[in-house]
Amino acid sequence: QVQLVESGGGVVQPGNSLRLSCVASGFTFSSYGMHWVRQSPGKGLEWVAVIWSDVSYKYYADFVKGRFTISRANSKNTLYLQLNDLRADDTGMYYCVRDGYDLILAGLNRFDHWGEGTLVTVAS
Amino acid sequence: DVQMTQSPSSLSASVGDRVTITCRSSQRISTYLNWYQQKPGKAPKLLIYAASTLQGGVPSRFSGSGSGTDFALTISNLEPEDFATYYCQQSYSTPPWTFGQGTKVEIK
Repeated sequence: QVQLVESGGGVVQPGNSLRLSCVASGFTFSSYGMHWVRQSPGKGLEWVAVIWSDVSYKYYADFVKGRFTISRANSKNTLYLQLNDLRADDTGMYYCVRDGYDLILAGLNRFDHWGEGTLVTVAS
Repeated sequence: DVQMTQSPSSLSASVGDRVTITCRSSQRISTYLNWYQQKPGKAPKLLIYAASTLQGGVPSRFSGSGSGTDFALTISNLEPEDFATYYCQQSYSTPPWTFGQGTKVEIK
């Protein structure tokens, strides 16, 4: 079965960095687009970034403003999110998510499998 | 960006009830609308995509409808495991993929 396991979260001070990882199993990782979605404590869901299966496309939410970088290593079945210059409002649970459609920006994209998340806390 | 607005923000219902949650988009999105269920402490789960297509393994008591700007998620015959928060998401004008603020379904 599809499994997505995130790691790398923790408590950091404002301005510092973290690198999140997500190891995928149970499917052909290199064939799927992958997203990061976050959820602030007690709040709703917020899309962060996407990287397509062959790394041909990468898109970011405006609030990222060049601070985050999404990448993947298909040979390792692993998705990454590098978080730099972290701010207090970046605090939240970060989910690794698989896109269930085979074309990007085609309207039928849907987030069909989610990891359990890794918690990022930015505090001084 | 397309803004998604759900109503109500929360509702109380009893087991066996029929429940409808609505979602409105700030611009027309055809039927590119997805629904997710999230239980406390858990990741969201995809229920419905393309407004009305049930994801595999999701019980048939869940149904989705709508097109354009107005959409609905209906749960017929509410079961105890359905008490959760539900989110809509548009996939028409992306990036970004935007979510509604959520609707919490609580036990009456």
